Amino acid sequence: SQTIHQWPATLVQPVGSPLSLECTVEGTSNPNLYWYRQAAGRGLQLLFYSVGIGQISSEVPQNLSASRPQDRQFILSSKKLLLSDSGFYLCAWSVLGNEQYFGPGTRLTVT
Amino acid sequence: GQQLNQSPQSMFIQEGEDVSMNCTSSSIFNTWLWYKQEPGEGPVLLIALYKAGELTSNGRLTAQFGITRKDSFLNISASIPSDVGIYFCAGLTVQGAQKLVFGQGTRLTINP
Repeated sequence: SQTIHQWPATLVQPVGSPLSLECTVEGTSNPNLYWYRQAAGRGLQLLFYSVGIGQISSEVPQNLSASRPQDRQFILSSKKLLLSDSGFYLCAWSVLGNEQYFGPGTRLTVT
Repeated sequence: GQQLNQSPQSMFIQEGEDVSMNCTSSSIFNTWLWYKQEPGEGPVLLIALYKAGELTSNGRLTAQFGITRKDSFLNISASIPSDVGIYFCAGLTVQGAQKLVFGQGTRLTINP
């Protein structure tokens, strides 16, 4: 069966510091991968999606970037965090582009 | 861009009551999905609908894909305390890289 992992689970970072969040999927090949941000327990905002290694599409201009160095690995990064980057970050995968399955999330607090 | 209007935003009910929530859009979707999210966790897929008019059940949950392909509803019968959470609808766009558009969520609170 397929599983999706995200780490870290929680993170507190000062403004201006770099960020790296990791997502990995097991049990499937060539998934579509997605990064979402959720504020205040509502409204998932799609940040990036990837249909293959090295292929990244950005949905919203922002302070973040994404990379997919391996088939089942998706990384969300920032060179310098802003206060507004705080939130709950969710990674998701899908095969054939239908149902998306979410990871457990990373709670990021920028201080 | 495409938007989903989900209602109600919140519900406060007694244990044992039935629950109904819905999503509407001005856009057509190929697929409707319903998720439940509990505090501090990722959303969990409850029901997937692929065909206009389709009615699908999963235990006490029933969801329908509207005939116009622009709406969907979710019903929960005989609510229990573990039904508490935020329920999201999501529509799969008809073009591009299979992106989901999410509703703003319905927060369900149950009084025992």
